[in-house]
Amino acid sequence: RKEVEQDPGPFNVPEGATVAFNCTYSNSASQSFFWYRQDCRKEPKLLMSVYSSGNEDGRFTAQLNRASQYISLLIRDSKLSDSATYLCVVNSGGFKTIFGAGTRLFVKA
Amino acid sequence: GAVVSQHPSWVICKSGTSVKIECRSLDFQATTMFWYRQFPKQSLMLMATSNEGSKATYEQGVEKDKFLINHASLTLSTLTVTSAHPEDSSFYICSATGWGSSYEQYFGPGTRLTVT
Repeated sequence: RKEVEQDPGPFNVPEGATVAFNCTYSNSASQSFFWYRQDCRKEPKLLMSVYSSGNEDGRFTAQLNRASQYISLLIRDSKLSDSATYLCVVNSGGFKTIFGAGTRLFVKA
Repeated sequence: GAVVSQHPSWVICKSGTSVKIECRSLDFQATTMFWYRQFPKQSLMLMATSNEGSKATYEQGVEKDKFLINHASLTLSTLTVTSAHPEDSSFYICSATGWGSSYEQYFGPGTRLTVT
């Protein structure tokens, strides 16, 4: 079983749609959680950290469920510019960081 | 946010030659730097973790004699791909983190290596 698992997609959605990504992790001792965005042939960029209480940044909402060991990312009112690969990232202590394989999102006009 | 640069951004080399890639943190002291490799349509795979002034820790399956990592200062780490082969062609990305970053990694723009 992979340490961090994501649905690879792709997700094809129209503009304005709401889309949700889920991610599960296997190490119950994991401490920090992040969502990164990666555009084609570019480096990953931090989208948001994920806190136990849940957090929201504009159209993006991230949630963490420690009991079930999953993280989610919700994107509302999708824009064409949201098309990218979204990486679920889990820190398992110190600087040990594990990346999920990523979920590809295509937003169409 | 913090800035990490990589040089070169793109390199083509012949099989059997060595290539050095530099990773620099421009506005913070990077106590730890990471080197990743990403093949097309795949996620980032951690190759090694390097702490300033120490030997790098390599992930399982990564040949330390082939991928030489040096982290001699708090702002510079280098990855040298020795005796490169076509299967080493990939996108190499470094990231850096420092004290107080809450484990957030700042990524360089990546180096695309093509070995012919």
